[in-house]
Amino acid sequence: AAGVIQSPRHLIKEKRETATLKCYPIPRHDTVYWYQQGPGQDPQFLISFYEKMQSDKGSIPDRFSAQQFSDYHSELNMSSLELGDSALYFCASSLAPLSSGNTIYFGEGSWLTVV
Amino acid sequence: GIQVEQSPPDLILQEGANSTLRCNFSDSVNNLQWFHQNPWGQLINLFYIPSGTKQNGRLSATTVATERYSLLYISSSQTTDSGVYFCAVDTGRDDKIIFGKGTRLHILP
Repeated sequence: AAGVIQSPRHLIKEKRETATLKCYPIPRHDTVYWYQQGPGQDPQFLISFYEKMQSDKGSIPDRFSAQQFSDYHSELNMSSLELGDSALYFCASSLAPLSSGNTIYFGEGSWLTVV
Repeated sequence: GIQVEQSPPDLILQEGANSTLRCNFSDSVNNLQWFHQNPWGQLINLFYIPSGTKQNGRLSATTVATERYSLLYISSSQTTDSGVYFCAVDTGRDDKIIFGKGTRLHILP
């Protein structure tokens, strides 16, 4: 079965650079979520989209922005990167919003290292 | 917001042992999921269990929604069971799931 696809899987950037992560949800899933997991931490919610509109927002820095496109894929843009942005970034998707009783499925994550 | 607490934070067991991991949550939930994060960082969905009991091989889970807790049982542990086990909940009032801090399980050969 198709899963959530994230790219790139690994990324190394220097401080103050910009990085873009991409996420392709499971086919027919219209809701996408982004999470950030620092070393030894639990995943922290960043932002979610339903039908290309932002549906919820967590502790996402102002330097980060995200959007969902017409084909439902999503991109997370991170600018002015800091060392503390080094983390595993997960994208997840669901068939419809979680409030409808749906299950969330996670991608394998994108490892971002800022040096 | 809702609080999710997992215990114990760390667990070291010999191969073949059984274990019980606990997840307490502070408010009613629409959904509760258990995940296993393997050493490569992959989050594997184990159970979707807002209430009741489910079993999948050596793993089973029980959620008592009225008492706001869930238990994950691992029997006859194998070294491949090592990793971090997360409990995550959603309240149905917003579009996100909230993770607990996890239980780090280390199975010794």
